[in-house]
Amino acid sequence: GENVEQHPSTLSVQEGDSAVIKCTYSDSASNYFPWYKQELGKRPQLIIDIRSNVGEKKDQRIAVTLNKTAKHFSLHITETQPEDSAVYFCAASLGGGADGLTFGKGTHLIIQP
Amino acid sequence: NAGVTQTPKFRILKIGQSMTLQCTQDMNHNYMYWYRQDPGMGLKLIYYSVGAGITDKGEVPNGYNVSRSTTEDFPLRLELAAPSQTSVYFCASSADGKNTEAFFGQGTRLTVV
Repeated sequence: GENVEQHPSTLSVQEGDSAVIKCTYSDSASNYFPWYKQELGKRPQLIIDIRSNVGEKKDQRIAVTLNKTAKHFSLHITETQPEDSAVYFCAASLGGGADGLTFGKGTHLIIQP
Repeated sequence: NAGVTQTPKFRILKIGQSMTLQCTQDMNHNYMYWYRQDPGMGLKLIYYSVGAGITDKGEVPNGYNVSRSTTEDFPLRLELAAPSQTSVYFCASSADGKNTEAFFGQGTRLTVV
């Protein structure tokens, strides 16, 4: 089955700086790559996703890049703010997301004031 | 619009007891999922369903059962609770194979003692 590795497990950045979280996946047939944000004690919520026919996608301060050849994808957050502090999960799916997601272990992002 | 609703929010079970985690969604989504989340391990797919009457195993189905008699409901059954099933359980749903954003319930924190 699919295996998703996520790094780093903890990331501390100064407010206003950029943060980058990286993931690799094992199955070259995976075609859907979402990112979820989970605040303490809350449910995961989708923040951005990308499909295998696209190399990059942006939504305001958040961007995701996908390198199919290397089988890795990254989340970029610019101009970080205190409310960005949370755990971020990357995920991959073989069936476009319909047959469930394989998640990475998460990155705890800490925004230092 | 309630979205995905899970009950109960918290539960303590004794080893060998059984229980059903309830999940219902009011978005008329075809696809529903059960995940478990262990500390530092991300979310793992237990079971999923692509429509009423259809269920399929995910990555970690042992010790669990599901049913999908209606579009709205997707209960998860634990027959003989074991300490290894102590976890936070999330139910999720998505619309279809193209609109695959997964909407999560608020989670059920289960402790088996």
